[in-house]
Amino acid sequence: EVQMVESGGGLVQPGGSLRLSCAASGFIFSSYGMSWVRQVPGKGLEWVSYISSNSRNIYYADSVKGRFTVSRDNANNSLFLQMNSLRVDDTAAYYCARVWVAFDIWGQGTVVTVSS
Amino acid sequence: QSALTQPASVSGSPGQSITISCTGTSSDVGSYNLVSWYQQYPGKAPKLIIYEGTKRPSGVSNRFSGSKSGNAASLTISGLQAEDEADYHCCSYAGSSTWVFGGGTKLTVL
Repeated sequence: EVQMVESGGGLVQPGGSLRLSCAASGFIFSSYGMSWVRQVPGKGLEWVSYISSNSRNIYYADSVKGRFTVSRDNANNSLFLQMNSLRVDDTAAYYCARVWVAFDIWGQGTVVTVSS
Repeated sequence: QSALTQPASVSGSPGQSITISCTGTSSDVGSYNLVSWYQQYPGKAPKLIIYEGTKRPSGVSNRFSGSKSGNAASLTISGLQAEDEADYHCCSYAGSSTWVFGGGTKLTVL
């Protein structure tokens, strides 16, 4: 079964850091680009970052550039998102998504709450 | 990276057809045939239902169809069913491995 499972979310104070993980299974992880997409409760989806299959190409939304870092470990079928200098408006559910010509497979999401 | 524009809500009765619009710019929707649509139930992850503007993944009902004209795309759901009540999100590739989503549309089946 193709699936992805996120972990690492939680409550963090403004200015703090958090590292999200996404464990993939059921497909050849190293063949696909991957993205992180987030969703503020009750709002729309927001693309956050993209990493190519071999990690050579990495892109970020302007809203997180310089604060978030995406990485992957193809040997262990894992995707990561290091989030630093967190702000209240980073509060959201964070999803990892497989990139094909669209985001064709999604994890169940992990919730990040930034609050003092 | 401005969000695509979708109506906040649409509604329809069972059996009817509804259309959800998604308006972008010449830098995203208008430049690429890479508009996708996602269905999302409350508390659940989004599910891909349309890709490349008009194509359906395996297993998605043929009641769902997509189209694109210029800088705008649309999703049509025909033969509306109670189970179609969900949020629908459009998305477009915007170049250089970046994407932009719409604000989402809540579909209510009356």
